Amino acid sequence: DIQMTQSPSSLSASVGDRVTITCQASQGINNYLNWYQQKPGKAPNLLIYDASNLVTGVPPRFSGSGSDTDFTLTISSLQPEDIATYYCQQYESLPRYTFGQGTKLEIK
Amino acid sequence: EVQLVESGGGLVQPGGSLRLSCAASGFTFSSYAISWVRQAPGKGLEWVSGISGSGGDTYYADSVKGRFTISRDNSKNTLYLQMNSLRAEDTAVYYCAKHIIAIATRPDFFDYWGQGTLVTVSS
Repeated sequence: DIQMTQSPSSLSASVGDRVTITCQASQGINNYLNWYQQKPGKAPNLLIYDASNLVTGVPPRFSGSGSDTDFTLTISSLQPEDIATYYCQQYESLPRYTFGQGTKLEIK
Repeated sequence: EVQLVESGGGLVQPGGSLRLSCAASGFTFSSYAISWVRQAPGKGLEWVSGISGSGGDTYYADSVKGRFTISRDNSKNTLYLQMNSLRAEDTAVYYCAKHIIAIATRPDFFDYWGQGTLVTVSS
């Protein structure tokens, strides 16, 4: 099975900071990597699909990059409403969908 | 507006059974694959099971294979998850999540999620 490892597990940053979250796959997954945002008590919400495609309506301060085994989610200027837990999810090994363990983002 | 509304969660004893439902609206239900994704308290997301739009193809995580059964009634726009032989480790919020189109194809992602229903397995 493909394992997804996110780092860091938690992160504290200030408003306006540039924030980077990484996701590493245990084997190559091409660009079959999605990112979700989950706010406390809410369902996850898709941010980016296929590694770098921003979902319509998601603020452009969010971006994704990477391929094969190493991927990055970047928030260019952190806003208070970005407080959430972020998950990567691979779908190379269909129909097995594997999520990373999550990165909890807090405001400093 | 796409809506997914889960129901059927609750407290059940180990070894017991429960059936979850997910009522869908706002899209042509039979045209889209749907999955169940769960989240144990304070933990991350785990894909549980998925079903094609027609219902002809079903998929399961190893952790639930042989105990859970996914099905759908396209005439009622409703998805189900029959959960048998429940264990403490099945305790979680269960979400239904709509696929962008089909399951086991590319691209693939979950574009809409329900609000979740809590299943607690405890004596």
